[in-house]
Amino acid sequence: GIQVEQSPPDLILQEGANSTLRCNFSDSVNNLQWFHQNPWGQLINLFYIPSGTKQNGRLSATTVATERYSLLYISSSQTTDSGVYFCAVLETSGSRLTFGEGTQLTVNP
Amino acid sequence: KAGVTQTPRYLIKTRGQQVTLSCSPISGHRSVSWYQQTPGQGLQFLFEYFSETQRNKGNFPGRFSGRQFSNSRSEMNVSTLELGDSALYLCASSLQVQGTDTQYFGPGTRLTVL
Repeated sequence: GIQVEQSPPDLILQEGANSTLRCNFSDSVNNLQWFHQNPWGQLINLFYIPSGTKQNGRLSATTVATERYSLLYISSSQTTDSGVYFCAVLETSGSRLTFGEGTQLTVNP
Repeated sequence: KAGVTQTPRYLIKTRGQQVTLSCSPISGHRSVSWYQQTPGQGLQFLFEYFSETQRNKGNFPGRFSGRQFSNSRSEMNVSTLELGDSALYLCASSLQVQGTDTQYFGPGTRLTVL
């Protein structure tokens, strides 16, 4: 099956700093989503971005499907940005999301 | 619109028991998928239902089963619970999982097996 790798696994920032999270995938995909898992475990949708660039406030994401990677940018980070960020992809022939192992982000005040 | 809801939110069971978890998708969504999250294995796909039919199944033993009702609500059942079944079980819904639809997740059910 498709492989999804996220980097870095852990990231510690000071409030106000910027960061870039990366997601590499091993095969063509129809669907790529970024999620933020809150402390209670719920996966919050950030972006549906199989290709191109999107922005939502301080967050933006870019997927280069031909090169099989996606980037999530967080600018002016806040303590509430802390948590685990997951990238998940849907194979072109499948109906299941395959998740990366996540990036644990800690933003210190 | 109300989001995906899951009940119960927390559950404690003992080995050998069985458990049923429920998921109500977003209104109008016909596809429901289930995922298991553990510290060791991460997020893994269990199965997906669409219009009351199981369309896809992950690599889990037969003790894990599910179903979907005509109103798109879904249940999953785990029989003969093992300690390793302790996990966060997440349900996701989408309009139609054909590779182009966003999946929305519920808050999860945290199952502890003692």
